[in-house]
Amino acid sequence: NAGVTQTPKFQVLKTGQSMTLQCAQDMNHEYMSWYRQDPGMGLRLIHYSVGAGITDQGEVPNGYNVSRSTTEDFPLRLLSAAPSQTSVYFCASSYSGRAEDGGYTFGSGTRLTVV
Amino acid sequence: AQTVTQSQPEMSVQEAETVTLSCTYDTSENNYYLFWYKQPPSRQMILVIRQEAYKQQNATENRFSVNFQKAAKSFSLKISDSQLGDTAMYFCAFMKQGAGGTSYGKLTFGQGTILTVHP
Repeated sequence: NAGVTQTPKFQVLKTGQSMTLQCAQDMNHEYMSWYRQDPGMGLRLIHYSVGAGITDQGEVPNGYNVSRSTTEDFPLRLLSAAPSQTSVYFCASSYSGRAEDGGYTFGSGTRLTVV
Repeated sequence: AQTVTQSQPEMSVQEAETVTLSCTYDTSENNYYLFWYKQPPSRQMILVIRQEAYKQQNATENRFSVNFQKAAKSFSLKISDSQLGDTAMYFCAFMKQGAGGTSYGKLTFGQGTILTVHP
């Protein structure tokens, strides 16, 4: 039982490049989310999914794309990287999305630098 | 929309002493949950404690306890007998309880407080 696995842990991109941050969970969780963490701003929700084939935007979705073809995987795509996307990215998953069921399990994060 | 404010960017405490981290929030919701997460230098997000808004009793987890004041929209975290391993960034977070109990897991986080425990 690996929990929530994020890859890569570190990445440096050039402006304009595209890449995909991977997130996988083996807990059969329906709910998955992507957050970005920036100094002085806490974590902010980028996109979330309530099940395979269903995604929706969070607070800061611009410049990011997601899809959910399987229950296990929820990749985050940067279409054309910009320096403003330099951040630490967290993937999180939950069985039901309900706080009373235990809340969310977070991955260990991906530190992305765009130069 | 909800907002969560942590007004203390940094705090420090001596080992074995007690420290309180502050958190205030703004919401028009009546049913919600509040959380404290710990983020040590390893970057892992660890759930410390959770409080249901409908419960008047303050949540406690070993050395960690909260002071939940619903009317004042305040949710502070008290760490007793501080240990060196408590050194971390602490985040306060809000999640509303949606229709049917589902909120889609949308967490709203505060800015974080860096806590340093000195030997």
